[in-house]
Amino acid sequence: DAGITQSPRHKVTETGTPVTLRCHQTENHRYMYWYRQDPGHGLRLIHYSYGVKDTDKGEVSDGYSVSRSKTEDFLLTLESATSSQTSVYFCAITQLAGGADTQYFGPGTRLTVL
Amino acid sequence: GQNIDQPTEMTATEGAIVQINCTYQTSGFNGLFWYQQHAGEAPTFLSYNVLDGLEEKGRFSSFLSRSKGYSYLLLKELQMKDSASYLCAVLDSNYQLIWGAGTKLIIKP
Repeated sequence: DAGITQSPRHKVTETGTPVTLRCHQTENHRYMYWYRQDPGHGLRLIHYSYGVKDTDKGEVSDGYSVSRSKTEDFLLTLESATSSQTSVYFCAITQLAGGADTQYFGPGTRLTVL
Repeated sequence: GQNIDQPTEMTATEGAIVQINCTYQTSGFNGLFWYQQHAGEAPTFLSYNVLDGLEEKGRFSSFLSRSKGYSYLLLKELQMKDSASYLCAVLDSNYQLIWGAGTKLIIKP
């Protein structure tokens, strides 16, 4: 358990509305990540952060923004949700394990955009 | 482009052995990870390989051949709780994880 929580765990929203997902960690990890997971696809990186106010884009960043104003919180915002953003969203941190910087995941947020 | 291939689905019998293959083509290589993901849950770390050879961890073993761009996860003495998806991921030259789509393993009694 890497001390990661995500909120909300489930959300249903309508097209065009803004949505913010929160990832919270309690162990002072420097690196945090947001992924989405869809059937038939591997986990796809949306954005990541390497410190407070330090973020960068991943493979599928269009339509998403992030903020990290405190070490423990990494927020993912969908400015105007679309049906293609219906997905399961996972937050992850990096922790040394098994000889490598290994990613550990939060429980996920299931988002449905109608 | 970068690509990781795994079989979509496999079926095996309780008590048997199963091998899940992963082939990869990535820009650089800094290690390969295997994760287990039960339905509706988050992925959990199983193993990491960066050198060629076999790493054994209880009932699970992972093998890597960097020259062939190939890895496998070997599960022995299968139990019903091993029914899950198994995800292969490669750390590329930019230290970004590239993920396969996962292999759904179905265990039958």
